[in-house]
Amino acid sequence: GEDVEQSLFLSVREGDSSVINCTYTDSSSTYLYWYKQEPGAGLQLLTYIFSNMDMKQDQRLTVLLNKKDKHLSLRIADTQTGDSAIYFCAESETGFQKLVFGTGTRLLVSP
Amino acid sequence: EAQVTQNPRYLITVTGKKLTVTCSQNMNHEYMSWYRQDPGLGLRQIYYSMNVEVTDKGDVPEGYKVSRKEKRNFPLILESPSPNQTSLYFCASSFGWGSSGRITDTQYFGPGTRLTVL
Repeated sequence: GEDVEQSLFLSVREGDSSVINCTYTDSSSTYLYWYKQEPGAGLQLLTYIFSNMDMKQDQRLTVLLNKKDKHLSLRIADTQTGDSAIYFCAESETGFQKLVFGTGTRLLVSP
Repeated sequence: EAQVTQNPRYLITVTGKKLTVTCSQNMNHEYMSWYRQDPGLGLRQIYYSMNVEVTDKGDVPEGYKVSRKEKRNFPLILESPSPNQTSLYFCASSFGWGSSGRITDTQYFGPGTRLTVL
């Protein structure tokens, strides 16, 4: 079946850039998503990218997609302590209807 | 305020005692889903619904039931809970499938229900 892998943990200093990586196995993935989960809360959709795109930028967030290597990354510029959370990538062939999530990357931002 | 609400937020129960976790959204969304979150496994979809009276299985439906009698509500039913259903449960809703690129295509999650089955 489909598999989505993420590293478990990332630690950065406030003001640095953070890069969270994700790899997936399903070559039929059409939609790729990034979610943020703050402590005690549900997931918040941050951004998504279609498989026919290489890059998407949204304010401090940049998503890069390497479809050949099935690699997705989320770059957060000027990382703030409020960005500390767990970040999940997810892939789908059809959209929100059926998502396969990664295990999540815990981002810790220190002052 | 647009939101997805879940009740209860925390529940401790015993094996075999039927329970229902409610989910309600106030955005007139057609699409709703249930997920469970377990350490090291991310989120896995239990069931989803495309509209009233239209539901389908996700990846881990065993031991769960759902119903969609009204557009706003999508309860998750555990007829005979077992300890392996101890988990953090999330309900989500969306207007679209997230496949069109429209600004309205966004998915909202509830705050979660932490269930412990003894």
